[in-house]
Amino acid sequence: DAGVTQSPTHLIKTRGQHVTLRCSPISGHKSVSWYQQVLGQGPQFIFQYYEKEERGRGNFPDRFSARQFPNYSSELNVNALLLGDSALYLCASSFGQGVDNEQFFGPGTRLTVL
Amino acid sequence: DAKTTQPPSMDCAEGRAANLPCNHSTISGNEYVYWYRQIHSQGPQYIIHGLKNNETNEMASLIITEDRKSSTLILPHATLRDTAVYYCIVGTGTASKLTFGTGTRLQVTL
Repeated sequence: DAGVTQSPTHLIKTRGQHVTLRCSPISGHKSVSWYQQVLGQGPQFIFQYYEKEERGRGNFPDRFSARQFPNYSSELNVNALLLGDSALYLCASSFGQGVDNEQFFGPGTRLTVL
Repeated sequence: DAKTTQPPSMDCAEGRAANLPCNHSTISGNEYVYWYRQIHSQGPQYIIHGLKNNETNEMASLIITEDRKSSTLILPHATLRDTAVYYCIVGTGTASKLTFGTGTRLQVTL
């Protein structure tokens, strides 16, 4: 069975542009979470969606938004890109959202903002 | 969520046990301890989690002190493929909203 997939793998944008990142969870998984990992740091939680509803939001500005589709895939959108948005964006899926639900991470999308 | 403190780096000889410590002195009663690892250029991988009892699975053992202020992840027989950054995370309610620190970089050597 396929793991979590993300697209694109790499992306280069310029300041002020908009970007959309995509994530397909493992089949049967209903929860998708997004994380930002800046070089040298651990992943930071951005959003969690479960059953197509936002269930959690980290400390990120309103330029960041996300949604989950009926097939449980998800998009992360970032508007008005800043140089500081350059990072690895990780998507993780799990079957549910309780404490015992193991998260499976995708390989990430490497975003570079010039 | 409580913060964690981990040593920035550790070395371990292949075949020996790797013991990775984590301090979480401000942990509250309903917070779990999670361990993930991240091998270079890959997404993090779940290892184990626990509340207050020691836990063991096919990958590792988790030892939580009685006062829950610290824990140790044990890889019983480290291999070169265990070289990675190991993250200790404390969180409540859901396993899907975790905030990672900077972790411990474990280098397994021959």
